[in-house]
Amino acid sequence: EVQLLESGGGLVQPGGSLRLSCAASGFTFSSYGMSWVRQAPGKGLEWVSTISSGGGRNTYYADSVKGRFTISKDNSKDTLYLQMNSLRAEDTAVYYCAKRPDSGSYLFDFWGQGTLVTVSS
Amino acid sequence: EIVMTQSPATLSVSPGERATLSCRASQSVRTDLAWYQQKPGQAPRLLIHGASTRATGIPARFSGSGSGTDFTLTISSLQSEDFAVYYCQQYNKWPLTFGGGTKVEIK
Repeated sequence: EVQLLESGGGLVQPGGSLRLSCAASGFTFSSYGMSWVRQAPGKGLEWVSTISSGGGRNTYYADSVKGRFTISKDNSKDTLYLQMNSLRAEDTAVYYCAKRPDSGSYLFDFWGQGTLVTVSS
Repeated sequence: EIVMTQSPATLSVSPGERATLSCRASQSVRTDLAWYQQKPGQAPRLLIHGASTRATGIPARFSGSGSGTDFTLTISSLQSEDFAVYYCQQYNKWPLTFGGGTKVEIK
């Protein structure tokens, strides 16, 4: 059974940093690309970032986070990360990690339960 | 950026009735279109990919259609567990984008 468990959320001041983690199990993590998707309170879904199965150079970012967030993947630990720097109030959201399907298409076939990030002074 | 527009924002339907949700893309996404269901306090769940292919374990009452810029999600006979918010997402071009969602509520 695929399981994705996010952690690392919390309250942070504007301009601060936070690192989110997503521990994966139930599938061969190294074979799949992964993504982060966020949802501001009471709002819709917003794609944040995607990384290829092998990690490294094949990363993609929404313009709203480019240059501030970094996605990475440790296949030896079956864990996905999102390093978030220079946080702003508008980054407040539940952050979900999500898995790409076998087809390799850039959609999300399994999601974690999310971790809440609140940016406030 | 491809803008995804969903309509209506809210759909009031009685249990057992048919629900038809629309999603329009600002430019063609071919059939690179997915639908998700999200219930309060839960993560989204993949329903449909490739515009019309049901994901594993999704009941047959959910069906998707369309290509290019106009897409439809149909729930043939609403069950109590189907009242939720539904999102479409295009994966044809970066950045990946979602529609604003349609809330299906009990009439």
